[in-house]
Amino acid sequence: TQLLEQSPQFLSIQEGENLTVYCNSSSVFSSLQWYRQEPGEGPVLLVTVVTGGEVKKLKRLTFQFGDARKDSSLHITAAQPGDTGLYLCAGANTGNQFYFGTGTSLTVIP
Amino acid sequence: DTEVTQTPKHLVMGMTNKKSLKCEQHMGHRAMYWYKQKAKKPPELMFVYSYEKLSINESVPSRFSPECPNSSLLNLHLHALQPEDSALYLCASSQGEGFFYEQYFGPGTRLTVT
Repeated sequence: TQLLEQSPQFLSIQEGENLTVYCNSSSVFSSLQWYRQEPGEGPVLLVTVVTGGEVKKLKRLTFQFGDARKDSSLHITAAQPGDTGLYLCAGANTGNQFYFGTGTSLTVIP
Repeated sequence: DTEVTQTPKHLVMGMTNKKSLKCEQHMGHRAMYWYKQKAKKPPELMFVYSYEKLSINESVPSRFSPECPNSSLLNLHLHALQPEDSALYLCASSQGEGFFYEQYFGPGTRLTVT
């Protein structure tokens, strides 16, 4: 059973467009992380959110943790080709189990 | 130093070979992990070591054998692998035991089994 569902699975957009990636679950998570992974490399941690309703910004990236700590979103403003990669959410639940989301493959076309 | 290193970067091996993957971190982290990742899919947890002891084995076949010689090193010994074991093998480390701690990943070893 995949506890963290991401949508969309694939996304191809033009440079300069905005986009939002969603990470949804029916379970409560004590913390949730977002990673970006480029082909042939390991995932790189972007942010960790731990408080329901929390919003964090990292330059053009905005991360939000749902009030009930069951979902999260990643919004990218004015996407650039360097944003291309596989975006993964990952969470730790209260039972100390860790799950990666299903992944969103983003391609930004120059 | 916030880096996790892995060697080799690429490995091609036959089904009768024995090889080892190596992972090293010098961040003082006490938990280390092995993941397997297929293309465009999320990483799948294989093993977790906490304070140099195996704490989680996600029902991985015995042809994969982990080893943690000390707190900075993690090995994955491979023997009699199958072509379907071809994947990117990722090592990660975290400050403490428990998935609440942030994990830092190495660049991975791209393994091809012929």
